[in-house]
Amino acid sequence: KAGVTQTPRYLIKTRGQQVTLSCSPISGHRSVSWYQQTPGQGLQFLFEYFSETQRNKGNFPGRFSGRQFSNSRSEMNVSTLELGDSALYLCASSLVGGRNYGYTFGSGTRLTVV
Amino acid sequence: SQELEQSPQSLIVQEGKNLTINCTSSKTLYGLYWYKQKYGEGLIFLMMLQKGGEEKSHEKITAKLDEKKQQSSLHITASQPSHAGIYLCGADSPQSGGGADGLTFGKGTHLIIQP
Repeated sequence: KAGVTQTPRYLIKTRGQQVTLSCSPISGHRSVSWYQQTPGQGLQFLFEYFSETQRNKGNFPGRFSGRQFSNSRSEMNVSTLELGDSALYLCASSLVGGRNYGYTFGSGTRLTVV
Repeated sequence: SQELEQSPQSLIVQEGKNLTINCTSSKTLYGLYWYKQKYGEGLIFLMMLQKGGEEKSHEKITAKLDEKKQQSSLHITASQPSHAGIYLCGADSPQSGGGADGLTFGKGTHLIIQP
């Protein structure tokens, strides 16, 4: 079966702009989580969506938001980009999410803010 | 909050040698995942451990979760160039609430295999 698809793979944006990233989970999976990976902070949890509802949120400012559609595809949006937002953004797909259900990650979107 | 410490941070091993990577948690582990990452790419799932004392193997990689459930180890036997990459351990939230509270990850172990 197809894996987790993230688009685009690479993105260059200017400070102050906004950006939207997309994630299509594995067919049948209803939970999508988003993570930010930077050299300094490592992998950090952004938020998780299940059945079009945000269930959990990490410690990130309100500039980071997301949504999930009825087909489980998810988008995350970052507004008023800052240089520090440059990172690899990864999404993880899970059947229903939660402890011990397992997570499959996509290849990520590399965002560079200049 | 839970913290995961991985050791070593980096490892250079001659091809064919065995190696072990450790992941120590500040709290009891409820679901421990091992992933491998090539630089700048996504995470490849290796194994998930749930019970204290559990041990799983896949090809030449074996992972264990200790009885007290605060440490896991990943052991690679007869290492090959294909094993090179970053190994990350991730832990489920200690809270049992619904939904994905987000995995907490270690900083990773960079593994280099020398021919």
